[in-house]
Amino acid sequence: GAVVSQHPSWVICKSGTSVKIECRSLDFQATTMFWYRQFPKQSLMLMATSNEGSKATYEQGVEKDKFLINHASLTLSTLTVTSAHPEDSSFYICSARITEYNEQFFGPGTRLTVL
Amino acid sequence: GQNIDQPTEMTATEGAIVQINCTYQTSGFNGLFWYQQHAGEAPTFLSYNVLDGLEEKGRFSSFLSRSKGYSYLLLKELQMKDSASYLCAVMDSNYQLIWGAGTKLIIKP
Repeated sequence: GAVVSQHPSWVICKSGTSVKIECRSLDFQATTMFWYRQFPKQSLMLMATSNEGSKATYEQGVEKDKFLINHASLTLSTLTVTSAHPEDSSFYICSARITEYNEQFFGPGTRLTVL
Repeated sequence: GQNIDQPTEMTATEGAIVQINCTYQTSGFNGLFWYQQHAGEAPTFLSYNVLDGLEEKGRFSSFLSRSKGYSYLLLKELQMKDSASYLCAVMDSNYQLIWGAGTKLIIKP
């Protein structure tokens, strides 16, 4: 089956620093990748949709200057949380979609804690 | 607006059967997904329905009625490891997934 990896799986950082999260599709090419955020006991919240070679489309209320998304290749998308604050602490999950199929394959998630 | 409704929490007994319902109103329809999510982990795919009817996969089955905007996930022979959140998601006309809030399923011995 299609495998999506995320790195790191968890990160603790100081307030004001920037954190980069990588999302890779390991055995397929993903033209579209999605970034989600999930707070405890809440459902997934789509942050942005990322298409290879073009600018990401951000959901309403998500600051594009704070959450920088780069989808430079068909197998890699990165999310950078700039100047992180404690309220950015959350579970960040990426998913990737194969063009021919509707199913999204999820990465294992990255737990970010900002002190 | 777009809306996915599913119960917040359900409790069932080990070995029994449970049905988790999901109703939806979306702009367009390109299929309905069920995902399982254990605490602290990412969702894992369970089923995909795009045509009306029942899809059976082992102990899990998923049903869809497009005319009613309704789906259910049926879990048989419940095991303790089935304790998790079950997420219903509909793919709209833009191929975006619209997520329900999830149903937390608690299995008791």
